[in-house]
Amino acid sequence: DADVTQTPRNRITKTGKRIMLECSQTKGHDRMYWYRQDPGLGLRLIYYSFDVKDINKGEISDGYSVSRQAQAKFSLSLESAIPNQTALYFCATSEGSGTSGRFVSETQYFGPGTRLLVL
Amino acid sequence: AQTVTQSQPEMSVQEAETVTLSCTYDTSESDYYLFWYKQPPSRQMILVIRQEAYKQQNATENRFSVNFQKAAKSFSLKISDSQLGDAAMYFCAYRSRYSGAGSYQLTFGKGTKLSVIP
Repeated sequence: DADVTQTPRNRITKTGKRIMLECSQTKGHDRMYWYRQDPGLGLRLIYYSFDVKDINKGEISDGYSVSRQAQAKFSLSLESAIPNQTALYFCATSEGSGTSGRFVSETQYFGPGTRLLVL
Repeated sequence: AQTVTQSQPEMSVQEAETVTLSCTYDTSESDYYLFWYKQPPSRQMILVIRQEAYKQQNATENRFSVNFQKAAKSFSLKISDSQLGDAAMYFCAYRSRYSGAGSYQLTFGKGTKLSVIP
């Protein structure tokens, strides 16, 4: 079974609609992330969460919101979708620094991605 | 802010041959991580290899190895004995090792598309 799952895998929606993308993980990691991938631009961070009560904006958070329902679940919402939000969306997880102090010693593991098309 | 540059949008290699993908980065930090991720047509982002900047020894994972030149801020990926399954987009990524605002972000290059010729 996959450690990081995303639903749906593909979605077509219309401008102005609200849409939610969901991410679940069985890795037991504390930290979760949402990235967006556009052709020719690589991946860019939308939001990240260190635990259920700690959510932070990333590089491109405008037009998005998130919810950390549990340690294992992190959802991304587009309140009113627009065509330039058409992209591939990835969820990622990482273990966290634990007792590493100020150093962050982790690797991010990605889900399979959700392809979103906004018409 | 950190930047990651992959100057080769596309590359090709004959099956069983060796290929090197280039990556350069810009940072003012002294301690950080560098990664190579592979994205096959299935879209999955798969970690290939990771390098800690404080380690002088180049990381190796089976047929994959890196040439890490810290002073030159260069981090190339060498794939030996290339296989058809190696065909994919390859992304170089940077991440700070220090905690603090923005440090958790992976900064990605734009990717290199690798084709493997049978």
